[in-house]
Amino acid sequence: GAGVSQSPSNKVTEKGKDVELRCDPISGHTALYWYRQSLGQGLEFLIYFQGNSAPDKSGLPSDRFSAERTGGSVSTLTIQRTQQEDSAVYLCASSRVAGTDTQYFGPGTRLTVL
Amino acid sequence: AQSVTQLGSHVSVSEGALVLLRCNYSSSVPPYLFWYVQYPNQGLQLLLKYTTGATLVKGINGFEAEFKKSETSFHLTKPSAHMSDAAEYFCAVSDGNAGNMLTFGGGTRLMVKP
Repeated sequence: GAGVSQSPSNKVTEKGKDVELRCDPISGHTALYWYRQSLGQGLEFLIYFQGNSAPDKSGLPSDRFSAERTGGSVSTLTIQRTQQEDSAVYLCASSRVAGTDTQYFGPGTRLTVL
Repeated sequence: AQSVTQLGSHVSVSEGALVLLRCNYSSSVPPYLFWYVQYPNQGLQLLLKYTTGATLVKGINGFEAEFKKSETSFHLTKPSAHMSDAAEYFCAVSDGNAGNMLTFGGGTRLMVKP
């Protein structure tokens, strides 16, 4: 079956612009996670969804970051007024349910803020 | 709070030699432990995981890891390296709670020499 997909694969934007990153989880997976991978910070947890709700937003680095999930499927991560330090690879993962189920990762979106 | 330390950001071995990638963790609760591999420009792929039960865990591609509670370690091994094993390897821990968000180590880049 299809894996986790993310779009776009690459995004170059100018400082101050807003960007939207999309994640399509594996069909039937109720849990969805966003992580960020950057040279300075390594792999960091951002937020997770169980269904459409986000019980834990503790990893979002600032209020410029937000995420939503609709219909228990697709999720969008939005970064407002992008800064150069937002440049990173944003990874999405999904699992059948939250808990100890394996998280399956997408290929990521590489964001470059000029 | 949980943390993961991977000793050695770069490890180089000869083809056919033993692979040993080190991972130590800290956790205030019984941990769930994972090893992921990342090939260039790809997402993370699960190699193996420990949740409960047998402490020696076998994964894909001939890799295995042993959970040693007394040493707070979860080192990854493979008896004989192949050129195709060259990649970056991440150790991760979660507490298996409702969210199961992963805390990652800094990663180890494995190079395999012919």
